[in-house]
Amino acid sequence: KAGVTQTPRYLIKTRGQQVTLSCSPISGHRSVSWYQQTPGQGLQFLFEYFSETQRNKGNFPGRFSGRQFSNSRSEMNVSTLELGDSALYLCASSSGLASGQETQYFGPGTRLLVL
Amino acid sequence: GNSVTQMEGPVTLSEEAFLTINCTYTATGYPSLFWYVQYPGEGLQLLLKATKADDKGSNKGFEATYRKETTSFHLEKGSVQVSDSAVYFCALRGANAGKSTFGDGTTLTVKP
Repeated sequence: KAGVTQTPRYLIKTRGQQVTLSCSPISGHRSVSWYQQTPGQGLQFLFEYFSETQRNKGNFPGRFSGRQFSNSRSEMNVSTLELGDSALYLCASSSGLASGQETQYFGPGTRLLVL
Repeated sequence: GNSVTQMEGPVTLSEEAFLTINCTYTATGYPSLFWYVQYPGEGLQLLLKATKADDKGSNKGFEATYRKETTSFHLEKGSVQVSDSAVYFCALRGANAGKSTFGDGTTLTVKP
């Protein structure tokens, strides 16, 4: 099975712009979660989508949004970029059907640099 | 809420040394516990997991036992290699299955 893929791998944007990141989960997985990784804050949960619906949400401002398509691919959007949004954005997929016992499989991440 | 506290790093060892990275957690209910590894420029790879008390997860010589009485999930390896140099994350997943809570990560460097 192909793993989780994320595009693009690298992005450079300027303050005030917006950005869209894409994640394709493992075939058959219906849950996609997004995380932000920074040196100062570590790994923080952004949100989870399951069957095209946001099922869980972390403590991020409304500038961070996402969606999921019928084929389970997910996009994350950040509007009005700030310098502090520079980070590695990771997505993780799982079947979403079991309890917390199942493993989340992570993609390679998109590294966003905001100038 | 849930939280994970990991041993602060960085940790530097010589090849073939014994490794322990401490991890303790706070959670309601009965979470599942995970260790992930991250190599430079890459995402997180699952190293091992345990889903209930007294379970032992193991993979590639690494082991960790789910200790409910001490709320711990310490990572151990008997003989580390240079190729084990990476950042290690302890994580838990509780009833909110879509979210994992991570420790701060421990950077391991193994010198030949």
